[in-house]
Amino acid sequence: DAGVIQSPRHEVTEMGQEVTLRCKPISGHDYLFWYRQTMMRGLELLIYFNNNVPIDDSGMPEDRFSAKMPNASFSTLKIQPSEPRDSAVYFCASRGGTEAFFGQGTRLTVV
Amino acid sequence: DQQVKQNSPSLSVQEGRISILNCDYTNSMFDYFLWYKKYPAEGPTFLISISSIKDKNEDGRFTVFLNKSAKHLSLHIVPSQPGDSAVYFCAASGGDMRFGAGTRLTVKP
Repeated sequence: DAGVIQSPRHEVTEMGQEVTLRCKPISGHDYLFWYRQTMMRGLELLIYFNNNVPIDDSGMPEDRFSAKMPNASFSTLKIQPSEPRDSAVYFCASRGGTEAFFGQGTRLTVV
Repeated sequence: DQQVKQNSPSLSVQEGRISILNCDYTNSMFDYFLWYKKYPAEGPTFLISISSIKDKNEDGRFTVFLNKSAKHLSLHIVPSQPGDSAVYFCAASGGDMRFGAGTRLTVKP
């Protein structure tokens, strides 16, 4: 298996634009997590899914953020409209047992 | 609110000595605790875990200790090597998985 695949690796966008981050989890994993890495809070859990169903989205910072998992092999995190303070590295992770496996992240820069 | 806390942002040790990284948590319902290692421009990678019913787990140079009454866990690296220099994240898992802010470990030759 190729591991968790995130795209794009880097995204630069202008304030106010819509941004969509993509994630392909490891096949067979039933949990999927979206995190945002910040200096102050480390890896901040935004939302997680179990068997494609959103379980807890209390970490989503604002209504501008939304996430979907239409099937077991694909998830998206959308920010609309984007703001400069959304600039960060966003990670997707999937879990089938005890430990979660992470993608390489998407570095988002909103200018 | 931070359910998992790593209060030391950085730690510097000499090669060959012991590195001790600490982590505290607030939720008694977590059933697994994990440590991840992260290099720049890469995703975190799993290092070692411990079940909430154990108090120690060892894997080579890495040992994790769990003190449930204190809601505290620690990662010991012995002996420390320069290649261990990275950011270490503590995580606690129930259905979700919560991480601390990380500790940057620097091992000096």
